[in-house]
Amino acid sequence: QQQVKQSPQSLIVQKGGISIINCAYENTAFDYFPWYQQFPGKGPALLIAIRPDVSEKKEGRFTISFNKSAKQFSLHIMDSQPGDSATYFCAASKGSGAGSYQLTFGKGTKLSVIP
Amino acid sequence: NAGVMQNPRHLVRRRGQEARLRCSPMKGHSHVYWYRQLPEEGLKFMVYLQKENIIDESGMPKERFSAEFPKEGPSILRIQQVVRGDSAAYFCASSPTGQGAYGYTFGSGTRLTVV
Repeated sequence: QQQVKQSPQSLIVQKGGISIINCAYENTAFDYFPWYQQFPGKGPALLIAIRPDVSEKKEGRFTISFNKSAKQFSLHIMDSQPGDSATYFCAASKGSGAGSYQLTFGKGTKLSVIP
Repeated sequence: NAGVMQNPRHLVRRRGQEARLRCSPMKGHSHVYWYRQLPEEGLKFMVYLQKENIIDESGMPKERFSAEFPKEGPSILRIQQVVRGDSAAYFCASSPTGQGAYGYTFGSGTRLTVV
């Protein structure tokens, strides 16, 4: 059972455009929602994360929007640049307690930003 | 701070051989996690270890796979009698605590190819 569903699988955006990636989760015990960026041949690197006590978090060009009632969260990349071309993964974990160390990942979105 | 170090970066094994993957956590981190990434898939949790202890191996296949984190030296993920389906990228992460997935840092991974 896939607990975090991510879409789209791939995304092509023109330079300067907005990239939007969506995720939905099932486990209501999830309490921490990070996004990871992965370049080819590299490990995932934390990009931005949110807790469900806020509906939005912004860091530079990257924004997470969170809808607790719908159990959905999304990543928005404003003014997308060719250097943003990478695979993006959403993930979720419990905030504390048993199993809170375990991240559940979506399948990833391959973003290509074209000049 | 050298980050999480994994080696080798690439490993080719013939079917039936053994694969040993090594992970040295970040300085000051005593919690190590192994994840597997199959092609076109997200990362999936395999095992969580502390020094000399396996805390959670719920994501490990029951046979052929084992992990350890000795008192001295790196954590080792061992796959015996490899099969083609074991071909994947194996990522190690470390964190300063085992509470929550905050502070996770991933290594660059070992890409295992079974021929």
